[in-house]
Amino acid sequence: AQKITQTQPGMFVQEKEAVTLDCTYDTSDQSYGLFWYKQPSSGEMIFLIYQGSYDEQNATEGRYSLNFQKARKSANLVISASQLGDSAMYFCAMREGLTAGGTSYGKLTFGQGTILTVHP
Amino acid sequence: AAGVIQSPRHLIKEKRETATLKCYPIPRHDTVYWYQQGPGQDPQFLISFYEKMQSDKGSIPDRFSAQQFSDYHSELNMSSLELGDSALYFCASSPPGREQFFGPGTRLTVL
Repeated sequence: AQKITQTQPGMFVQEKEAVTLDCTYDTSDQSYGLFWYKQPSSGEMIFLIYQGSYDEQNATEGRYSLNFQKARKSANLVISASQLGDSAMYFCAMREGLTAGGTSYGKLTFGQGTILTVHP
Repeated sequence: AAGVIQSPRHLIKEKRETATLKCYPIPRHDTVYWYQQGPGQDPQFLISFYEKMQSDKGSIPDRFSAQQFSDYHSELNMSSLELGDSALYFCASSPPGREQFFGPGTRLTVL
């Protein structure tokens, strides 16, 4: 079964507008983390934002915010005021709970990605 | 700030050859991960090390092996290379309980 599902293969947004990239996940763990990474055409993986399963507040990092709805198992990324440089592939990922003495060493499971194109 | 270093950045090999990819994690990060990203695919977890011990193993072929050394750098050894091994190989490191920071990747092409 797919653990992370990104249903939007591609999204288009006008510069300066906001866009939401969808992500749903499936886990039976109580402790897990959700991540969003950006991958430009150059190939590097850039960490954007993190949400822990026990975090009560939605995570925010600058223009990025994560709309975390635990009951629905969704962790959508909202990018406000889109810029041309936001055009890239975006991956949602999950780290399921594996902790030893407070250290988590869980692997990431990625979704299929969403290609975002920002139009001028 | 220091980032994860991977070398080489690009590698071209023939079928059945051997390749070694190196990763230098961010200082004081205790966990190293290796991922493989095929063309048009999402990254797939291969293997991880926590404090120089293998901590988890994913869909890593038997032809591949990895280790983490006393200075915390890690190497991914790939033997009997196949065309399907052509991919972008990422190393990532993380401090305790935090997000993983990815290196720039090594792009391996097998001819």
